[in-house]
This record gives sequence, C-alpha cells and structure tokens, in this order.
Amino acid sequence: GAGVSQSPSNKVTEKGKDVELRCDPISGHTALYWYRQSLGQGLEFLIYFQGNSAPDKSGLPSDRFSAERTGGSVSTLTIQRTQQEDSAVYLCASSLARAGNSPLHFGNGTRLTVT
Amino acid sequence: GNSVTQMEGPVTLSEEAFLTINCTYTATGYPSLFWYVQYPGEGLQLLLKATKADDKGSNKGFEATYRKETTSFHLEKGSVQVSDSAVYFCALSVSYSGGGADGLTFGKGTHLIIQP
Repeated sequence: GAGVSQSPSNKVTEKGKDVELRCDPISGHTALYWYRQSLGQGLEFLIYFQGNSAPDKSGLPSDRFSAERTGGSVSTLTIQRTQQEDSAVYLCASSLARAGNSPLHFGNGTRLTVT
Repeated sequence: GNSVTQMEGPVTLSEEAFLTINCTYTATGYPSLFWYVQYPGEGLQLLLKATKADDKGSNKGFEATYRKETTSFHLEKGSVQVSDSAVYFCALSVSYSGGGADGLTFGKGTHLIIQP
C-alpha cells in the first residue's frame, strides 16, 4: 500500500490477556518506530528499529512490552498481561532514514482498550 | 535530555483569525524541529520542518521559524480556516554521530478548534 498500515484499528481486551499489534511500514523504509499516544500525555516513544541493527528499546515502559521486526519489514508490538493503564492509541511510523533527515510517516494507529 | 513544551489547549478561534501556537524545546546537541498535524480520524502527518537556526518552514499557509536564541519554534498562520481544526504536535530530532536512537521527541499536542 501507499502508507503505513496498522492492524487492528481497534482492540478491546480483558485485563491480564496478551495482545499483538501489527505494523506494515512503507516499502523501502528502513526506520520503524512505535509510539504510544495517551490522552493528555502526547506521544511517548516506545521502540525504534533501524535496518538490521539492534533495536533501541529504551522507551518500553515495562518488561511486559516487546516488539520485533521480521525481515526488516513488518513489526509486531506485543503486550503481555495487559493492564488498564496500557489503554492508549499505539502508533507506528516509518521513514526512509533517520528522523532528522526524512519525515516520519504514521499509520492511523491501534486503539487499545483494556477492561 | 530532550524535551518539547507547547501551549496547552484546546485553542478555540474564529475563522480568519491569526493563530500562534507556542513551542519551546531543550535538546542535547543541535536538533531539527518539526510540526506534525493530526486531523480527526487520521494519522499524524508532517506539516513543516526546519533543520538549522533561522530557517523558516512553511506549508499550507503555516509558518514556523527556528529560533536558537530563544529555543523556540512557534507555529503561525495569518488566517485560519475551519479545515485547520486538528491536533498540532511540535517535535524535535537530534542525530547522534555515534549512533543510537534518534527518533522524534514530541510535545503533548495542542488541540485547535476553528469555529465558523
């Protein structure tokens, strides 16, 4: 497709369940980012993948969060044993190169609600 | 560390009013500065950017000037339209020559509402 695709667009889950969120970046984009958008909190950086380098996981809020990127393309963000405070919109973005040199292209996000 | 502070919203204006959304930053190193916009029901998209001091980014009638002396990147538009209603995010990126993450650091966003 022409843009960054995220699925599902909405996810409602019970507290304690695991969830997987998927991101299909723009073809050829080497950089991929996950952000979390909470009401009144802006965008919180979670994790960054650049090509085949080890990802920067410094933004992940706890060890319940993990992400992988297979074949340098599709990425999956996994949240284990979800908590109510995990409810947010999870945004994926990709770019051709480092963010300072090329713009980020965002998906429409996955709205996660933990009940 | 890096941080971005922008005025809290919502900001409510009448159509054709002058708009200013303030943004200031702190950064380790020499950042590039951005404004992203999120229209209702859509993903964020780049509105404009500036990569060095005194540069002016502009797009769709919006402008912002990179002011190193005041560490600011205020967003302005001379005459807003209803279609400008959206959430606006100021952001910075610092590239580290030694490698490491250099994603965007965002402000909390300013919700702009334009009334006809």
